[in-house]
Amino acid sequence: EDQVTQSPEALRLQEGESSSLNCSYTVSGLRGLFWYRQDPGKGPEFLFTLYSAGEEKEKERLKATLTKKESFLHITAPKPEDSATYLCAVQARVSGGGADGLTFGKGTHLIIQP
Amino acid sequence: EAGVAQSPRYKIIEKRQSVAFWCNPISGHATLYWYQQILGQGPKLLIQFQNNGVVDDSQLPKDRFSAERLKGVDSTLKIQPAKLEDSAVYLCASSLAQFNEQFFGPGTRLTVL
Repeated sequence: EDQVTQSPEALRLQEGESSSLNCSYTVSGLRGLFWYRQDPGKGPEFLFTLYSAGEEKEKERLKATLTKKESFLHITAPKPEDSATYLCAVQARVSGGGADGLTFGKGTHLIIQP
Repeated sequence: EAGVAQSPRYKIIEKRQSVAFWCNPISGHATLYWYQQILGQGPKLLIQFQNNGVVDDSQLPKDRFSAERLKGVDSTLKIQPAKLEDSAVYLCASSLAQFNEQFFGPGTRLTVL
């Protein structure tokens, strides 16, 4: 069974204080690892997809990296508007059928204080 | 480009009642998903459609949940009868094709009393 564990569960930072969120995963065969941002009362918003170990992607103050067992979401000099829950999800490589639903972690609740 | 639309946004029902949720995916998206998100948890896949066919419903509690996508566009998810533990946000997502990025709607928050 595919599993995703995110840490920490919650993180409070001062504006400008850089940090990293962790996503550990076990999957029968990884097709892709996804990062989403979720604001209160809204659906998850797509951020990144990573496909292979060593891959990195960046968007504004966010950078996602991938190894064979975990992914990190690095946030550099965060601003209060970066406050949200960040969700990590894996998509397994399946043979036939085309089922490609995501298995999500519980998320990291990030608060950036001005 | 319009996003995924869902309605209603909120629903409160008594246990043992029935409820239905509606989803309209992004135009042209062939793949549609329903997820259940319980408070404090990540979304959990319930069912996946490719056009109007079911690809994966292995995690759908079929004794009380049903879903359809008759014309390969919009979809409905029904719960009958509802239980207290069904209280959650029901999220619809769509993707252009299988193995593409999934885009989520705002969700329907269901409270079962």
